[in-house]
Amino acid sequence: ETGVTQTPRHLVMGMTNKKSLKCEQHLGHNAMYWYKQSAKKPLELMFVYSLEERVENNSVPSRFSPECPNSSHLFLHLHTLQPEDSALYLCASSQDLPRLAAYNEQFFGPGTRLTVL
Amino acid sequence: GQQLNQSPQSMFIQEGEDVSMNCTSSSIFNTWLWYKQEPGEGPVLLIALYKAGELTSNGRLTAQFGITRKDSFLNISASIPSDVGIYFCAGQFLPSGTYKYIFGTGTRLKVLA
Repeated sequence: ETGVTQTPRHLVMGMTNKKSLKCEQHLGHNAMYWYKQSAKKPLELMFVYSLEERVENNSVPSRFSPECPNSSHLFLHLHTLQPEDSALYLCASSQDLPRLAAYNEQFFGPGTRLTVL
Repeated sequence: GQQLNQSPQSMFIQEGEDVSMNCTSSSIFNTWLWYKQEPGEGPVLLIALYKAGELTSNGRLTAQFGITRKDSFLNISASIPSDVGIYFCAGQFLPSGTYKYIFGTGTRLKVLA
């Protein structure tokens, strides 16, 4: 496997289910990200991890719980979701965190298409 | 909060035509990025811009960082069928200088052979 992989690619769940999304990067990067992509809305940054430490939480509801056990893996645990949470969830990684005048290219996975019934 | 207005929302063009799309904001950005997303894939970076006025090319793609730091455009010359996809702009904004990026809503491009 190369680049950034995400599993599953598609997920349908009920509002009372608990599920997890998995992301794995094979690039030796130090930073990982979760984004939400809804139809006709801009990509929304949800969480940022650097060296396994969460450095950003963009006011995401607690029904989304991220976990970064090591620098190669990132999980998004889901529980008691709402239908409006249906979206494409994208994982990305970069060598390091972007800084002023120094963008570290983010490499995106293919996403998990989540449908909440 | 910061917003990026990206236009047009969609374009249908003939193969061989040139394409232009842009992003504007009421806020200043210190980095502009342009991505392309194809069906079933995540966005892929096309061009990154770091300085006001900067003009950068990547093959048939050309992008510019506006002088006011509040806008950017992307041009595609001599379009081909594989240019089909959704193009996103994204900006990193001052003064935080952190890892937050604001994304535009995308321009959906369709190329007719």
